[in-house]
Amino acid sequence: SQKIEQNSEALNIQEGKTATLTCNYTNYSPAYLQWYRQDPGRGPVFLLLIRENEKEKRKERLKVTFDTTLKQSLFHITASQPADSATYLCGFGNEKLTFGTGTRLTIIP
Amino acid sequence: GAGVSQSPSNKVTEKGKDVELRCDPISGHTALYWYRQSLGQGLEFLIYFQGNSAPDKSGLPSDRFSAERTGGSVSTLTIQRTQQEDSAVYLCASSYQAGGPQETQYFGPGTRLLVL
Repeated sequence: SQKIEQNSEALNIQEGKTATLTCNYTNYSPAYLQWYRQDPGRGPVFLLLIRENEKEKRKERLKVTFDTTLKQSLFHITASQPADSATYLCGFGNEKLTFGTGTRLTIIP
Repeated sequence: GAGVSQSPSNKVTEKGKDVELRCDPISGHTALYWYRQSLGQGLEFLIYFQGNSAPDKSGLPSDRFSAERTGGSVSTLTIQRTQQEDSAVYLCASSYQAGGPQETQYFGPGTRLLVL
């Protein structure tokens, strides 16, 4: 069955450094991957979508890569700030999104 | 503008009781989705509605779960004879239409259900 995994359950990064989160998928070849941010007690908020023919996508301090050979997407936050602390989810699918369990990122001042 | 709203925000019930969870999608969105998020689990798709088409119920875990969408807007997720394993956060999302990379799903805050 389709499976998506986010390698780290939790990640602590010093403020100002780059945070890198990993998403791997198996038994599927998604046409695109999505990244969401979820704060405690709230629903996920869409951040970025990357298509299979795009190697990289950027939005402000965020960068997503998509390697269809490795079946992996990397999500980077550069110049990280404490306000970036949240759980980040990757997902794929059309109507029915399949999500990883998320990585809880903490930016330490 | 208003986002997706859900009610109640929290629900505590006894095992065996029925519960109804409500979702108000963003006005004008024709697609509505229900997901479940359990502790330590990822978001799990349950069901989605697109316009007047028959809903895709492929993610419903058992026949105790059902959902309806009246008038193409508000949706109710019903869980009958609740079990303790039903305890989770139930999230609703909506999008302008269903499917495709351009159709971002906007999530509500969720209903936290605890079955004692």
